Amino acid sequence: GQNIDQPTEMTATEGAIVQINCTYQTSGFNGLFWYQQHAGEAPTFLSYNVLDGLEEKGRFSSFLSRSKGYSYLLLKELQMKDSASYLCAVKDSNYQLIWGAGTKLIIKP
Amino acid sequence: GAVVSQHPSWVICKSGTSVKIECRSLDFQATTMFWYRQFPKQSLMLMATSNEGSKATYEQGVEKDKFLINHASLTLSTLTVTSAHPEDSSFYICSAKGLAGENEQFFGPGTRLTVL
Repeated sequence: GQNIDQPTEMTATEGAIVQINCTYQTSGFNGLFWYQQHAGEAPTFLSYNVLDGLEEKGRFSSFLSRSKGYSYLLLKELQMKDSASYLCAVKDSNYQLIWGAGTKLIIKP
Repeated sequence: GAVVSQHPSWVICKSGTSVKIECRSLDFQATTMFWYRQFPKQSLMLMATSNEGSKATYEQGVEKDKFLINHASLTLSTLTVTSAHPEDSSFYICSAKGLAGENEQFFGPGTRLTVL
């Protein structure tokens, strides 16, 4: 079966750095996405990785290792507004998005 | 960036009635639109995928006669929840994808449906 694992909840301090991990087992791989979702709102796109390595975009970076079936989202200089759920999704061999359950990130002052 | 709108943003209806939710791509042509449902504290669940001018492809366990999807144009898809029941209360989100080969899905703001 297809599976995406990410921690259910994480807590971090304002101004700090947090890394949210995602491991996947899917039938084929055509890219990995990270989305941010605030409570009661739709997801917003953060990043897309299809090749191994680190993609940096401002305070957010995403890393992919296809051989390990592993990705992480790194958030730097955390702000209170970063409190949200972070969803990992993988596009499989049929180009269908398989979604993780999301990681709820709580930022404390 | 590409913008997707949904209407209404929230709706309350009585059990047994039908509710239509519209999803529009405002500044691009959406070759494919996706409908998701999300229950509280759970992840997105794909309900169906629709391509303009053809029948929607429903995920396993989703009743196509209950959730009617119409993708009549490259900028509009509708989801009609027929004979709604309280267990259909959920957050319904659409997303749209433009040109073939484009990777990003653009999400609408979602519609919160409450069935009394």
